[in-house]
Amino acid sequence: SQTIHQWPATLVQPVGSPLSLECTVEGTSNPNLYWYRQAAGRGLQLLFYSVGIGQISSEVPQNLSASRPQDRQFILSSKKLLLSDSGFYLCAWSVRAAYGYTFGSGTRLTVV
Amino acid sequence: AQSVTQLDSHVSVSEGTPVLLRCNYSSSYSPSLFWYVQHPNKGLQLLLKYTSAATLVKGINGFEAEFKKSETSFHLTKPSAHMSDAAEYFCAYNNDMRFGAGTRLTVKP
Repeated sequence: SQTIHQWPATLVQPVGSPLSLECTVEGTSNPNLYWYRQAAGRGLQLLFYSVGIGQISSEVPQNLSASRPQDRQFILSSKKLLLSDSGFYLCAWSVRAAYGYTFGSGTRLTVV
Repeated sequence: AQSVTQLDSHVSVSEGTPVLLRCNYSSSYSPSLFWYVQHPNKGLQLLLKYTSAATLVKGINGFEAEFKKSETSFHLTKPSAHMSDAAEYFCAYNNDMRFGAGTRLTVKP
C-alpha cells in the first residue's frame, strides 16, 4: 500500500535560518507531488507541484523553493526564513489530480 | 476560471443532529469534486469524491454528498453528528489543485 512520510512534525527556527522539509512516498511510482501551506485559521495555499524528477512548478513567488531529487522525494527549502513563513506545511501526492490527494501528517513551522 | 466556494466558514450543530456543509463549484464542464476532513494539527483525509458516476456519493464516517449540476453544488451531509466529527472540512476541485477556504464544524454536546 502507498504511504507518505513527512518530517519533522514540528520545527522552531529563528529568522534568517535555513529550512529543509522532506517528504517521501512509498508504494507508488512517478507520483505527482505537492507542497501546501496553511496559515493559522486559513485555507490551503498551493506552493509547489511536481509531475516528475527535476520538474517543479511554483505557484507563488516567495522565499521558498522546492526540489525533487528522486522520484518519490520532495523537498521544501529556504535559505533565510522570514516570520511570515510560519505555518503548517503539508505534502501530498496523487496519481492524477482527478483521483484525489493523499496528504502527509504535516509540519508545524514556527519562525521566531 | 474554475473554482470552489465554501459558503460557510463555521458551522455549529448539536450532537445527534444533521450536518450540512455547503460547497458550490464553478466550471464550464463536469468536474471531479472532493471533500476532505482535517483534524487539528493533522493532514487532510479524503472523505469522498465525485467523478461523474453516481451523483450521490457515500464516503467514510457516514458522510455523503450529492452532485447537483443544475445548482452547481456539492454539499456534504451527515444524518447525525458525532463529537468526533468536529474538524475542518475542505471542498476541492480536481485539476485545479486548489481547495475551498474550509468550513470549521463544531459539535456541541
